[in-house]
Amino acid sequence: AQKITQTQPGMFVQEKEAVTLDCTYDTSDQSYGLFWYKQPSSGEMIFLIYQGSYDEQNATEGRYSLNFQKARKSANLVISASQLGDSAMYFCAMRVGGTASKLTFGTGTRLQVTL
Amino acid sequence: EAQVTQNPRYLITVTGKKLTVTCSQNMNHEYMSWYRQDPGLGLRQIYYSMNVEVTDKGDVPEGYKVSRKEKRNFPLILESPSPNQTSLYFCASSFGGLNQPQHFGDGTRLSIL
Repeated sequence: AQKITQTQPGMFVQEKEAVTLDCTYDTSDQSYGLFWYKQPSSGEMIFLIYQGSYDEQNATEGRYSLNFQKARKSANLVISASQLGDSAMYFCAMRVGGTASKLTFGTGTRLQVTL
Repeated sequence: EAQVTQNPRYLITVTGKKLTVTCSQNMNHEYMSWYRQDPGLGLRQIYYSMNVEVTDKGDVPEGYKVSRKEKRNFPLILESPSPNQTSLYFCASSFGGLNQPQHFGDGTRLSIL
């Protein structure tokens, strides 16, 4: 069975600072994909970034980067230069080979960006 | 515009009254899924479909039914809703493959009284 753990229920960060949201995962599959989604207060789920288990380089998408440490089974999201609009719930999720239709989600981290 | 459309967005109903939440996608995706989101639990998969006429249970299928008669549509059916099915529901779709992000609808907030 797959599991995603997000240990930070809530985080605060000042505007323009960088913040790291933690995510650890557990799977016995060698082939898997890791995703981060953002859920603003309006409720929709927005895909942010993807990292494959065989990718050697950390994924980056604009101000988002994924700090992938395979041996530690961690896939932390780094948001650089935080903006007020980054205030939202953030979910880490995983897809594994053979059950690729399913995303297993963590419980989420609520990020609040302050002035 | 590529999108996943769910209806209704909000519904308040009573125990035992059958309801259907519709989901439609216009991206020709093979995979479609239903999730429920509850505070402190993240999103949990209810059912998924790998293609037309192919559906399977997710982690929390009890009390729900689905069907996939057409590729674009994947309705979620609550035959006899109960208060513990009060939740925020999301439909999602994607192409096959581990690197394909699932695209989500805007969500349906169901309240079962």
